Amino acid sequence: SAVISQKPSRDICQRGTSLTIQCQVDSQVTMMFWYRQQPGQSLTLIATANQGSEATYESGFVIDKFPISRPNLTFSTLTVSNMSPEDSSIYLCSVSRGLGNTEAFFGQGTRLTVV
Amino acid sequence: KQEVTQIPAALSVPEGENLVLNCSFTDSAIYNLQWFRQDPGKGLTSLLLIQSSQREQTSGRLNASLDKSSGRSTLYIAASQPGDSATYLCAVYGETSGSRLTFGEGTQLTVNP
Repeated sequence: SAVISQKPSRDICQRGTSLTIQCQVDSQVTMMFWYRQQPGQSLTLIATANQGSEATYESGFVIDKFPISRPNLTFSTLTVSNMSPEDSSIYLCSVSRGLGNTEAFFGQGTRLTVV
Repeated sequence: KQEVTQIPAALSVPEGENLVLNCSFTDSAIYNLQWFRQDPGKGLTSLLLIQSSQREQTSGRLNASLDKSSGRSTLYIAASQPGDSATYLCAVYGETSGSRLTFGEGTQLTVNP
């Protein structure tokens, strides 16, 4: 298994500001992902965080809005930039140890409210 | 494009009842299927992972089955307890989806004391 620490657990932010969410894993992992879960909905993948290179974004998500860093194999950050109330969601970090037959693990999530 | 559907969307049962949650997926070319539990406002807890070559997995009162050819999985919960109340999500790891999990919409379970 993998133990994931995600910070902050929740925050209330003013519109137009930015929030950086941190994800720390207790061991090295190959794959790290960031998801968004809007109220009452399932999870949507934002991007795959690649170690040492730019993140791979899913359709509908752009780097200017959701810049991601991954300086090493145990840590990543997601920034939600220039926030609006529509960004109010739970943001989740997920990891797996490799492609194919591996189990996915999730952090406890960051509950973001934009006012 | 892989689509995952979970039925029912919500379920309310009395304590002690055995229950079944259903998950179906449109593309049978998968590496594995995973069941998660999510408590309100929290992250996901992995419950069971079934590899594409497996038929079922068991953990305590939970049993998950997989019929890859028909695109179906079930999560069986025995002797349900109020502490089982949560949203249950299934997700598939497709062979053609790169490293992406595709999630269902979830089943919201309430177990009444």
